[in-house]
Amino acid sequence: EVQLVESGGGLVQPGGSLRLSCAASGFTLSPYWMDWVRQAPGKGLEWVATIKEDGSDKFYVDSVKGRFTISRDNAKNSVSLQMNSLRAEDTAIYYCANIFGAGYWGQGTLVTVSS
Amino acid sequence: QAGLTQPPSVSKDLRQTATLTCTGNSNNVGYQGAVWLQQHQGHPPKVLSDRNNNRPAGISERFAASRSGSTASLTISGIQPEDEADYYCSAWDSILRGVVFGGGTKLAVL
Repeated sequence: EVQLVESGGGLVQPGGSLRLSCAASGFTLSPYWMDWVRQAPGKGLEWVATIKEDGSDKFYVDSVKGRFTISRDNAKNSVSLQMNSLRAEDTAIYYCANIFGAGYWGQGTLVTVSS
Repeated sequence: QAGLTQPPSVSKDLRQTATLTCTGNSNNVGYQGAVWLQQHQGHPPKVLSDRNNNRPAGISERFAASRSGSTASLTISGIQPEDEADYYCSAWDSILRGVVFGGGTKLAVL
C-alpha cells in the first residue's frame, strides 16, 4: 500500500520554528518532484514548496520565501519542510504530495501558530 | 501568485451531469494541462485525473477530464450523493515557477 505520512506538526508561538517530515512507503520518491501544500481552516488549497527529484532546484510561494526550506533524502525516501519565523497566517494543515507525478497525497499534519 | 479560476459552487440533482471548469492561461493550464482533485470534508485531496486527463486506478469512469486551450474541464456523469465534495484544479506555471491552484468548486447534490 502506498503511503505518505507527515509528522512534526503542532502548536508553536509566532516567530518559532517547526520541521515537518514526510515518509513514503510503498513507492520510491526518487524519480519525482515532491510538493508541500497547505490548507488553512475553512479555506482552499495553497501550494507551499516543490523540490526536484534530485534536490537540485527548489521553488516556493512568495509568502514563505526566506522562511521555509524544502529538502529531501532519497536514501531515506523522505521529504522535509523546515519552517522558521512562523506567523499566525501559516496556521494550516500541511500536506506532503506528489501533485503531478504519481498523484499521492498524505493525510496531513496540523500546524497551529498562536501565542 | 495568481491562481486558476473555478466557479465557487455548482448544484445538481442526482443522476444529472455536471461540468466543472478551470480557467488559466498559456503559462499554466495551456502549458501542461491541469490535475483535478476531489476533497471531502475532513479528508485529504484525492487525484481524479492527471495532466494528461488520465484517471488513476480506482477512479470511476463517471469522472472525465478534458482541456481546450487554457480551460480544463471535469465532467461528472450520473451524479451520486458521494460526489458531494470540493473539487480543485492545479497546474504548474512556467512563468511563476510554481504550482497554482483554483479556488475550488463546491458541488452540492440535490
